[in-house]
Amino acid sequence: EVQLVESGGVVVQPGGSLRLSCAASGFTFGDYTMHWVRQGPGKGLEWVSLISWDGTSTYHADSVKGRFTISRDNNKNSLYLQMSSLRAEDTALYYCAKDSLNRRFGELWDYMDVWGKGTTVTVSS
Amino acid sequence: EIVLTQSPGTLSLSPGERATLSCRASQSVSSNYLAWYQQKPGQAPRVLIYGASSRATGIPDRFSGSGSGTDFTLTISRLEPEDFAVYYCQEYGSSPQTFGQGTKVEIK
Repeated sequence: EVQLVESGGVVVQPGGSLRLSCAASGFTFGDYTMHWVRQGPGKGLEWVSLISWDGTSTYHADSVKGRFTISRDNNKNSLYLQMSSLRAEDTALYYCAKDSLNRRFGELWDYMDVWGKGTTVTVSS
Repeated sequence: EIVLTQSPGTLSLSPGERATLSCRASQSVSSNYLAWYQQKPGQAPRVLIYGASSRATGIPDRFSGSGSGTDFTLTISRLEPEDFAVYYCQEYGSSPQTFGQGTKVEIK
């Protein structure tokens, strides 16, 4: 069974830093682009970042560019999101999501076909 | 950045009725890279439709997607009790990928 389990969400003060993790299982992790998507309290979905299957290409939303860094360790089947200079508006449930497209097709990304349950980040003093 | 506008914000319908949800893009979506997701309270989103009209694995055929360019539609032919949820469209043909603000389908 394909599974994604996020962890690392806590309460952090404005300006603080945090690293989220996502443990993947049930598929060949190194063959797929991975994403982070967040959802503020009572709000809609916001795409945050993606990283290519080999980690060489990354993209970030403008709202987090320069503050968040996505990375992965294919040997550990793990995805990460390093968050710094956190703001109140970063408060959200953060989802890890698997891209649907296997790297053998050559394109970098497609739609997201598997999602984790999320981990909650609260930025508050 | 492509802005997606979903309408209506809330759709109040009864089980058995037909639901029609709209998603309009601020510019043309390349290669119809448009997906629809369903989210129930306390759950992660689940993909229903990709490529504007292809049903994802395991999705019942009462869900259908259509459209191209800037106008897309998700149709639920006959609402089942488990279909009352929030639905999001997503454009994934460019970066940054964007989501619409969602349409809530509620029981009338």
